[in-house]
Amino acid sequence: DTEVTQTPKHLVMGMTNKKSLKCEQHMGHRAMYWYKQKAKKPPELMFVYSYEKLSINESVPSRFSPECPNSSLLNLHLHALQPEDSALYLCASSQEHRAGVQETQYFGPGTRLLVL
Amino acid sequence: GENVEQHPSTLSVQEGDSAVIKCTYSDSASNYFPWYKQELGKGPQLIIDIRSNVGEKKDQRIAVTLNKTAKHFSLHITETQPEDSAVYFCAASGGGTSYGKLTFGQGTILTVHP
Repeated sequence: DTEVTQTPKHLVMGMTNKKSLKCEQHMGHRAMYWYKQKAKKPPELMFVYSYEKLSINESVPSRFSPECPNSSLLNLHLHALQPEDSALYLCASSQEHRAGVQETQYFGPGTRLLVL
Repeated sequence: GENVEQHPSTLSVQEGDSAVIKCTYSDSASNYFPWYKQELGKGPQLIIDIRSNVGEKKDQRIAVTLNKTAKHFSLHITETQPEDSAVYFCAASGGGTSYGKLTFGQGTILTVHP
């Protein structure tokens, strides 16, 4: 089973709202990722968690706050977003994330976010 | 950092024809090259991948070839079917401090006409 699940599927929020995106995997993977994808563009990496610790932050604005409560769950907390943050937010997981090892990343279906 | 270029940006074929998508990468240290298929409203789905110690890999109607010297890799789909219509992304990973980070090409919109 290579399933990554994400909730909600769709989200509409105002610029003053606080919301959270959730991601879950039960493959025993120890690395989890958040990507942002704009229409007709490839996914862009935002954050990487390895063994529940933040490993990479691709200079993402602080209005995006990731959290990894345990090895199966990944959250993305959203606050004071801008309309240009509207996009498809993808979660992915892989067995590991470490130097010298290239692990396959499995993506979830994404959350389509609209910021008004 | 790594840079991946993907061509063509759109590809239209008749059902039963073959489709080829090509990617070039810039970082000779990259050693992992996955291909993803993304259907409308869905997340990218891994369809095949290849590592730098292998020159070719095949899975039913899909094959990937890798030329490390020229730094390019290609996706070949034979006997295309309408359900192959989607956006295809190539990616490269593995170079130096960018381990585990996928650098994607810009995508190819494949349309298979019945």
